Amino acid sequence: GAVVSQHPSRVICKSGTSVKIECRSLDFQATTMFWYRQFPKQSLMLMATSNEGSKATYEQGVEKDKFLINHASLTLSTLTVTSAHPEDSSFYICSARGHGESSYEQYFGPGTRLTVT
Amino acid sequence: GNSVTQMEGPVTLSEEAFLTINCTYTATGYPSLFWYVQYPGEGLQLLLKATKADDKGSNKGFEATYRKETTSFHLEKGSVQVSDSAVYFCALSDTGANSKLTFGKGITLSVRP
Repeated sequence: GAVVSQHPSRVICKSGTSVKIECRSLDFQATTMFWYRQFPKQSLMLMATSNEGSKATYEQGVEKDKFLINHASLTLSTLTVTSAHPEDSSFYICSARGHGESSYEQYFGPGTRLTVT
Repeated sequence: GNSVTQMEGPVTLSEEAFLTINCTYTATGYPSLFWYVQYPGEGLQLLLKATKADDKGSNKGFEATYRKETTSFHLEKGSVQVSDSAVYFCALSDTGANSKLTFGKGITLSVRP
């Protein structure tokens, strides 16, 4: 089946620094990638949707200048948390979808645990 | 807006026990309904789906029936195994070109030998 990887799996950074999370589709071309955020005991919240080669579409309430998303190729999307603060600590999950597939046919990465100290 | 409500967890069962995980939803129109499973250290995987009322999704011994009258999509399995230990998410997707998934909070299932 389709595999999506994320790197790193865990990251600890200091307040005020930026951190980049990578999401890769390993064996298919991902025309659309999604970034989710999950708080403890909460559901996955969609942050943004990105299509290859175009700007990401952010959900209401998500700061686009703080969470920079780049989808420069059909196999790679990155999420950069800029000027991170402790409240940005969370579990970030990406998913990818191939061309023409339905919304639910998303393949999920294993997630990245971000801790901001 | 759309929302999905799952029963509170965690749930701990003995092997071969019967499993029910409740899920109800709120949505406009006619959403599609899903159960995703996340095994330790892995990404979410689609477990089963139902796209219209009275449809039954099934996979790996799990079943769920799309009940429009009660806006529910409860997950059941007659005899759980230790390997079923995972986090289970109920989700819905509206229709259309820009459809998105809305997830419930997820529930952790632990099955002991």
